[in-house]
Amino acid sequence: GQQVMQIPQYQHVQEGEDFTTYCNSSTTLSNIQWYKQRPGGHPVFLIQLVKSGEVKKQKRLTFQFGEAKKNSSLHITATQTTDVGTYFCAGLPRGSQGNLIFGKGTKLSVKP
Amino acid sequence: NAGVTQTPKFRVLKTGQSMTLLCAQDMNHEYMYWYRQDPGMGLRLIHYSVGEGTTAKGEVPDGYNVSRLKKQNFLLGLESAAPSQTSVYFCASSYQGQGAITLHFGNGTRLTVT
Repeated sequence: GQQVMQIPQYQHVQEGEDFTTYCNSSTTLSNIQWYKQRPGGHPVFLIQLVKSGEVKKQKRLTFQFGEAKKNSSLHITATQTTDVGTYFCAGLPRGSQGNLIFGKGTKLSVKP
Repeated sequence: NAGVTQTPKFRVLKTGQSMTLLCAQDMNHEYMYWYRQDPGMGLRLIHYSVGEGTTAKGEVPDGYNVSRLKKQNFLLGLESAAPSQTSVYFCASSYQGQGAITLHFGNGTRLTVT
């Protein structure tokens, strides 16, 4: 079946270091979304990417959608303790009338 | 503005018991979803609804039933709970299909089946 693979599963960084999580889809996507879930919380929407090669920035966060619309990445520059949580990507397969397929998430911990 | 509200927040069931989880949204969204989240498994779709009176199966529907009698409410039922259904359950809503609009999640229900 259609899958969205997300790596790494866990990432431990020192505060101030950069962090990147990657998503790869087995099929071409119409769009990809990113969510953040704080410990004990619920997923919260961060951003949606639609165009091939699209790059969007939110302060220290940079999101990219691959040219082939099968992969995406989230990069955080100079992590802070407030960045702690699990980051999920979720893709909608192209031509699908169905639902988002979520990656399993990357759990980020930040050591002060 | 409450957004998406789930009740209860926590529940412990014994194997074989039944229960209903309630999700209510005040954003007039057409689409509603139930997900379960297990360690290392991400979010898996159980059932969803594209409008009042309609429901459809997601990725992991077995052992669950749903109803959408009112646009603002989406109920998830467990007829005979099993330990494998121990999980955190999230309800979500969106006002168009998932391709266009983002998901708004509730705070979750932590269910333990012993």
